[in-house]
Amino acid sequence: AQSVAQPEDQVNVAEGNPLTVKCTYSVSGNPYLFWYVQYPNRGLQFLLKYITGDNLVKGSYGFEAEFNKSQTSFHLKKPSALVSDSALYFCAVRDLENNRLAFGKGNQVVVIP
Amino acid sequence: DGGITQSPKYLFRKEGQNVTLSCEQNLNHDAMYWYRQDPGQGLRLIYYSQIVNDFQKGDIAEGYSVSREKKESFPLTVTSAQKNPTAFYLCASSISVAAGANVLTFGAGSRLTVL
Repeated sequence: AQSVAQPEDQVNVAEGNPLTVKCTYSVSGNPYLFWYVQYPNRGLQFLLKYITGDNLVKGSYGFEAEFNKSQTSFHLKKPSALVSDSALYFCAVRDLENNRLAFGKGNQVVVIP
Repeated sequence: DGGITQSPKYLFRKEGQNVTLSCEQNLNHDAMYWYRQDPGQGLRLIYYSQIVNDFQKGDIAEGYSVSREKKESFPLTVTSAQKNPTAFYLCASSISVAAGANVLTFGAGSRLTVL
């Protein structure tokens, strides 16, 4: 079965510094990978996805993610964090063999002014 | 504006009562989903529906029921058989289940508290 690991519960970063949120995945076939963001008491919003092609994917709000097949990782990055980036970030993977979508447990990002 | 509307936003329930959470979408999406969110556990799939009058159990369907009588509506009933129903419930939709690259659109959620 497909699964996602987000190893850190919380990521603290100073405003203006680079932000990285880690994600590793496990699937039996080729993966579709997604990042979503959730602000307090709200639903999830789509940030970006990897389907195929270029390993570096650019998404909303200046975020990007790099697909690394050998390390089975899909880390989310932003060159310069904003206080407004403080939120809960979810990585998700869809296994194309069974078409099921699995979410990670989420990473709380705190950007310190 | 197209989107998903969930209601109520907050709901309190006494033990032993059934409650129904509403989810309506005007995106013309075929697929709809219900997720449960608990702190530190991520999202867990309760039920999903690929088409009207059809739905399948997800990973934690016990104690829940759904219906899909209309394309735009996918209500979730939390029954008294659900042993720990206090949680944040999220409804989502996508163009279809079959297309793996499809992005989910989420509602704002409903927070259920059992007193």
